[in-house]
Amino acid sequence: NFMLTQPHSVSESPGKTITISCTGSSGSIASNYVQWYQQRPGSAPIIVIYEDDQRPSGVPDRFSGSIDRSSNSASLTISGLKTEDEADYYCQSYGSDNYVFGTGTRVSVL
Amino acid sequence: QVQLRESGPGLVRPSETLSLICTVSGGSITSSRSFWAWIRQPPGKGLEWVGIISPGGSTYSNSSFNSRLTMSVDTSKNQFSLRLSSVTATDTAVYYCARRVVNYFDFWGQGTLVTVSS
Repeated sequence: NFMLTQPHSVSESPGKTITISCTGSSGSIASNYVQWYQQRPGSAPIIVIYEDDQRPSGVPDRFSGSIDRSSNSASLTISGLKTEDEADYYCQSYGSDNYVFGTGTRVSVL
Repeated sequence: QVQLRESGPGLVRPSETLSLICTVSGGSITSSRSFWAWIRQPPGKGLEWVGIISPGGSTYSNSSFNSRLTMSVDTSKNQFSLRLSSVTATDTAVYYCARRVVNYFDFWGQGTLVTVSS
């Protein structure tokens, strides 16, 4: 079964930049679009990146997405970290006839 | 803006059937490009896609649920529903309904916690 693996947690100071990876277990991650969702405690997820690198209206341009075919991974970069960015982040794609979510990354802004 | 709201019992007995309804407002459930999904999240764990239904009633589900899952749509009420049979404690989760466009989920309900316990 197709799986997406993310680092368990990332911590950084306000104003800094972080990058969260999302690695596909098989095939090419570039075969299907990758999305990224932010989930604050007690809330439903909201989409912050769709179709690899597209930002929905209302999402700050501090959030950006990319694909690295050489490592079969996608990445979410958050620049100028703010305390409000503290949340869980999930990547999502499609494979093996399933919509697949990544394992999730807890972002802490120290 | 499309809004979704889940409703249903918060407690289900083991071996019984979990039933949830998602009510869509701010847009038609028959709008083009829109499919309607169920996603769940066990307490303290990650997101798991459950299944998806088209406005015409075509369904696609996570293979891990085998034949336990039934989904339906009621366009007259702008609602879609989920039924999961023979539940166990591992089905305890927050269940979200969401709208799917292309291959991503752009609008989500607030989620409803369903606990499976005797």
